[in-house]
Amino acid sequence: DQQVKQNSPSLSVQEGRISILNCDYTNSMFDYFLWYKKYPAEGPTFLISISSIKDKNEDGRFTVFLNKSAKHLSLHIVPSQPGDSAVYFCAGRIGGSQGNLIFGKGTKLSVKP
Amino acid sequence: GAVVSQHPSWVICKSGTSVKIECRSLDFQATTMFWYRQFPKQSLMLMATSNEGSKATYEQGVEKDKFLINHASLTLSTLTVTSAHPEDSSFYICSALNRVYGYTFGSGTRLTVV
Repeated sequence: DQQVKQNSPSLSVQEGRISILNCDYTNSMFDYFLWYKKYPAEGPTFLISISSIKDKNEDGRFTVFLNKSAKHLSLHIVPSQPGDSAVYFCAGRIGGSQGNLIFGKGTKLSVKP
Repeated sequence: GAVVSQHPSWVICKSGTSVKIECRSLDFQATTMFWYRQFPKQSLMLMATSNEGSKATYEQGVEKDKFLINHASLTLSTLTVTSAHPEDSSFYICSALNRVYGYTFGSGTRLTVV
């Protein structure tokens, strides 16, 4: 039973445009959501997070939106750059500040010049 | 910033042998360390959670006798895959948790069992 779902395995966007990566979840106990960027054969790198009591968090080109009623979150990257090309993982945190992360399957983003 | 060193980055071993993977937080102390496994085009699946000086907590379906976790200090955790078989071939990643830096991941270990 997948608690965090990223239904789009891949996304292709033109440089300078907006990239929107989506994530759905089923577990209402998640208290934080995190987005990670990952290159092949490397560990994930933290991008941005959002508390479950917020609906938006922004950091530079990255904005995460949370729709709690729909159990849906999205990561917006604008403007997209070729260097953003990577696999993006959405994760929900469960168990509080010492808790663990449950990951989605990831979405491979390709930003074309 | 926080750095987690994971070694080796890749290893090839013969079936039946054991392999040890080391995860070390270089400039911070980790209250908890997590071990994940990733199959191609799949998510990172949590295998176990370990706290320094105590036994690891394994996720359902993960054999604790096969995947031995030792968390000897606040900066070091090791995962030993015992009697490895080809189906254990995978990408293993550790993560160290710190109250200031949050979750920091190692660079992963590609294990191939032949």
